[in-house]
Amino acid sequence: AQKITQTQPGMFVQEKEAVTLDCTYDTSDPSYGLFWYKQPSSGEMIFLIYQGSYDQQNATEGRYSLNFQKARKSANLVISASQLGDSAMYFCAMSPRSFGNEKLTFGTGTRLTIIP
Amino acid sequence: DVKVTQSSRYLVKRTGEKVFLECVQDMDHENMFWYRQDPGLGLRLIYFSYDVKMKEKGDIPEGYSVSREKKERFSLILESASTNQTSMYLCASSPRTAYSNQPQHFGDGTRLSIL
Repeated sequence: AQKITQTQPGMFVQEKEAVTLDCTYDTSDPSYGLFWYKQPSSGEMIFLIYQGSYDQQNATEGRYSLNFQKARKSANLVISASQLGDSAMYFCAMSPRSFGNEKLTFGTGTRLTIIP
Repeated sequence: DVKVTQSSRYLVKRTGEKVFLECVQDMDHENMFWYRQDPGLGLRLIYFSYDVKMKEKGDIPEGYSVSREKKERFSLILESASTNQTSMYLCASSPRTAYSNQPQHFGDGTRLSIL
């Protein structure tokens, strides 16, 4: 069984500062993928970034990067130079990297609030 | 851009009613999913489908059923709605690939209240 743990229910960060959202995972699958999603107050889930378990380099997408530490089973999301529009719920999720089994297991989320 | 459309943003029903939540995607994706989102619990998978007429139970299928008669449409059915099914329901779709994961694309969600 797969499990995702997000230990920060809420965070407050000053605008323009960098922020790290924690995510640890547990799985017995040898190959897996890790995802981060953003959910603004309007409700839609927005895909941010993906990391494969065999990827050698940490994934980056604009201001988002994923700090992947496989031995520690962590996949923290880093947002550089935070903006007011970054205020939202953030979910970490994982999926077995196997054809025919694309189910996602989600963490409980972190509510990020950016303070002006 | 992928578009996943859920038929209602807000829905109010009464206990015992049969409730249908509809989801349509326009990108010819093989996989479709129904999740339930509750505060403090994150998203939990109810059912998913990887092909027309195929379905598999997720983590919390009790009290729900699904239907997928066409590739683009995936319906969630509450057979006899109960108050503990009051929640946010999210539909998602993704393509099937052999070598890497593709992100799931979500609809805007349906906030369902059972009175």
